[in-house]
Amino acid sequence: GDSVTQMEGPVTLSEEAFLTINCTYTATGYPSLFWYVQYPGEGLQLLLKATKADDKGSNKGFEATYRKETTSFHLEKGSVQVSDSAVYFCALSSNSGGYQKVTFGIGTKLQVIP
Amino acid sequence: SAVISQKPSRDICQRGTSLTIQCQVDSQVTMMFWYRQQPGQSLTLIATANQGSEATYESGFVIDKFPISRPNLTFSTLTVSNMSPEDSSIYLCSVSGTGGAYTEAFFGQGTRLTVV
Repeated sequence: GDSVTQMEGPVTLSEEAFLTINCTYTATGYPSLFWYVQYPGEGLQLLLKATKADDKGSNKGFEATYRKETTSFHLEKGSVQVSDSAVYFCALSSNSGGYQKVTFGIGTKLQVIP
Repeated sequence: SAVISQKPSRDICQRGTSLTIQCQVDSQVTMMFWYRQQPGQSLTLIATANQGSEATYESGFVIDKFPISRPNLTFSTLTVSNMSPEDSSIYLCSVSGTGGAYTEAFFGQGTRLTVV
């Protein structure tokens, strides 16, 4: 079945540091790939997505590129802020019985310190 | 996109009781999904609810413990029955379209359940 492997946290960075959160996946067919963010006490929000190979998703300074050859979708940000502190989930969506089934990674907690 | 309203947002319940969580979507959707997020864990799919048919449960989840209703294309409920402290989790409702109508999942704000 489909699976998502995500680096475990927590990740602690100083403000303005560079962020990389690794994510690799296993799936049949051609999944769509996502990063979701969960701020403390809140539900999940879509951060960015990519629906085909070599697509780059970007939002709020975050970006990730769909790499089919390495089955990866690493999340990056050039300069993190304290407000980026949250849990980040890598996910994939593939067609299963006519609907899009979503598989999530374990989540990576990011803490940004001033 | 889809806007999902979920309630209650949080509750503290006594063990042995049941809680019903409601999920309302602002548009008609075929499939609705219920997830559980245990403390410090990722999301685990409980079941898939298709309007007009019985829900399909994932391994480890049973209808007697998590009965689901799906009376129309915009609404669903999940009941957590005979609760124990191990049921303390965040429960999330989600929607996803069919035939590529949406390619991402949309989530409600979640219900934070504490069982004492």
